[in-house]
Amino acid sequence: KAGVTQTPRYLIKTRGQQVTLSCSPISGHRSVSWYQQTPGQGLQFLFEYFSETQRNKGNFPGRFSGRQFSNSRSEMNVSTLELGDSALYLCASSLKTDSFYEQYFGPGTRLTVT
Amino acid sequence: GDSVTQMEGPVTLSEEAFLTINCTYTATGYPSLFWYVQYPGEGLQLLLKATKADDKGSNKGFEATYRKETTSFHLEKGSVQVSDSAVYFCALSGLNNAGNMLTFGGGTRLMVKP
Repeated sequence: KAGVTQTPRYLIKTRGQQVTLSCSPISGHRSVSWYQQTPGQGLQFLFEYFSETQRNKGNFPGRFSGRQFSNSRSEMNVSTLELGDSALYLCASSLKTDSFYEQYFGPGTRLTVT
Repeated sequence: GDSVTQMEGPVTLSEEAFLTINCTYTATGYPSLFWYVQYPGEGLQLLLKATKADDKGSNKGFEATYRKETTSFHLEKGSVQVSDSAVYFCALSGLNNAGNMLTFGGGTRLMVKP
């Protein structure tokens, strides 16, 4: 079974631009979560989508948004990029077991804002 | 809110040495606990998990026991290998969300020398 895929793997953008990142979950997984990883702040939860609806949201400004399509693929968008948005963005898809959600992570998209 | 604290690295060990990485948490109720590993240039991989008090998660020679009384989930391995060099993250999935949001510790870099 194919794992979580993220595209693109690397991205360089200029301050003020916007960017869209894509995530394809493992087949059959309906939940997709996004995380930001930076050296200073570590791993922080952005948001989670389940059946095309945002179910959880972290503490990030409104410039960060996402959506999920009917095939469970998800995109996240960052508008008006700032230098501090440079990070590794990780996507995880989940399958609920009997007591918790086991999350499988993709390789990430490394975004550099100049 | 929920939080995870783990020992800062880097931890440098010789091959075949004993490994302990400390992790403590703060959460409401009884969260599920996880250890994830991140190899250079890759996303996160689930290493082991425990969903209730006194559960012991184990995988690839690594172990961690869910200690409710000390709110801890320390990672141990009896004999590390060079290939274990990576960054290790302790995480929890709390009950005050829909079950899919992970709260991570800051990560501990492990370096194993031959």
